[in-house]
Amino acid sequence: QVQLQESGPGLVKPSQTLSLTCTVSGGSISSGGYYWSWIRQHPGKGLEWIGYIYYSGSTYYNPSLKSRVTISVDTSKNQFSLKLSSVTAADTAVYYCARDQQGGSGFDYWGQGTLVTVSS
Amino acid sequence: QSVLTQPPSVSAAPGQKVTISCSGSSSNIGNNYVSWYQQLPGTAPKLLIYDNNKRPSGIPDRFSGSKSGTSATLGITGLQTGDEADYYCGTWDSSLRRVFGGGTKLTVL
Repeated sequence: QVQLQESGPGLVKPSQTLSLTCTVSGGSISSGGYYWSWIRQHPGKGLEWIGYIYYSGSTYYNPSLKSRVTISVDTSKNQFSLKLSSVTAADTAVYYCARDQQGGSGFDYWGQGTLVTVSS
Repeated sequence: QSVLTQPPSVSAAPGQKVTISCSGSSSNIGNNYVSWYQQLPGTAPKLLIYDNNKRPSGIPDRFSGSKSGTSATLGITGLQTGDEADYYCGTWDSSLRRVFGGGTKLTVL
């Protein structure tokens, strides 16, 4: 059974960089066939896709966040990471990592989510 | 403003059937698979339907999905109080961006 777990600071100061890591267990990121995504949910709001990475390192980001987002992968640790720069209070949200099936068949595994608050 | 349009809320009595609609365009739903997610309070979303109408292992057949043109529908029969949750549709668009609906809150009266 594939499991994903987010980790990182729960509090980030405005203008700083938000950094989160997703550790994958029960399956290898390097096996291919999946995109590894970050998705966020503002308090009381809907889901917003941030971007994804393939095991090869190729990425695709939501155009609305592209200038501030970097997603990277460390296949040796079976992890992928999110960096979001120049954060503001509007970036306060629950951040999820998820596995995205190639062919567009949806996000079949999700992490439990981690709340990141942007505040001084 | 979400790319896909869902009703904010729906309600029905236990044992009844409910449908949730998801409207998009030819650049998203019209040419791509739709998936549906259930988000119980305080938990991560869970995949309910993929490829428009397929259920992952473990999802009861009370949940069904369909797609016609640029719209999709999630159906839930035999409603239970445990089905109270937020439901989201999702797909991707012509620019390969993943998009979601705004979510629908299901109340089982």
